[in-house]
Amino acid sequence: QQQVKQSPQSLIVQKGGISIINCAYENTAFDYFPWYQQFPGKGPALLIAIRPDVSEKKEGRFTISFNKSAKQFSLHIMDSQPGDSATYFCAASMDNDMRFGAGTRLTVKP
Amino acid sequence: DAGVTQSPTHLIKTRGQQVTLRCSPKSGHDTVSWYQQALGQGPQFIFQYYEEEERQRGNFPDRFSGHQFPNYSSELNVNALLLGDSALYLCASSLFEGFGNTIYFGEGSWLTVV
Repeated sequence: QQQVKQSPQSLIVQKGGISIINCAYENTAFDYFPWYQQFPGKGPALLIAIRPDVSEKKEGRFTISFNKSAKQFSLHIMDSQPGDSATYFCAASMDNDMRFGAGTRLTVKP
Repeated sequence: DAGVTQSPTHLIKTRGQQVTLRCSPKSGHDTVSWYQQALGQGPQFIFQYYEEEERQRGNFPDRFSGHQFPNYSSELNVNALLLGDSALYLCASSLFEGFGNTIYFGEGSWLTVV
């Protein structure tokens, strides 16, 4: 049962461009929505997170947009850099139970 | 401040054997969750431990069991290993109480079953 759906599966962006990754969730009880960045051979690292009472959160080049009514949220990476090339996972959590999307492999070309 | 530490980092086991993976949570955290991440997929929730008890469990068979110790560290045990158990096993720690608790992951233990 996939509770968090993530798209696209892979994404190629030119250096300096905007990367956009989308996620949709089903369970309205989720109350915490983080994004994780994972490099090959490493564990996921928390990138940015948002709560459902906020529609947008920005940290540096990374922005989460959250649409509670549509049960959707997205990650925007501004001025994408080759070092941003990694797999990105969205997640949704309630009561310490976190469910992950399938991941998006981002490649930023120089 | 030590983050989440896991051991071993890599191991190879034979089908039918048993394996134990270990995790020390981030300092100050009291909750440990275990995830299985197959190649090219997102982490799948196995179970969560708090106060030395299993609090939640994902869709994994009883071959997967765990333990949490008084110092909050945890072990994941997998019995009767199958080839399909080959994956990256991730430990994550957090605080049980609170709203929107941040979960931190370790680097994982790569298990290969041959």
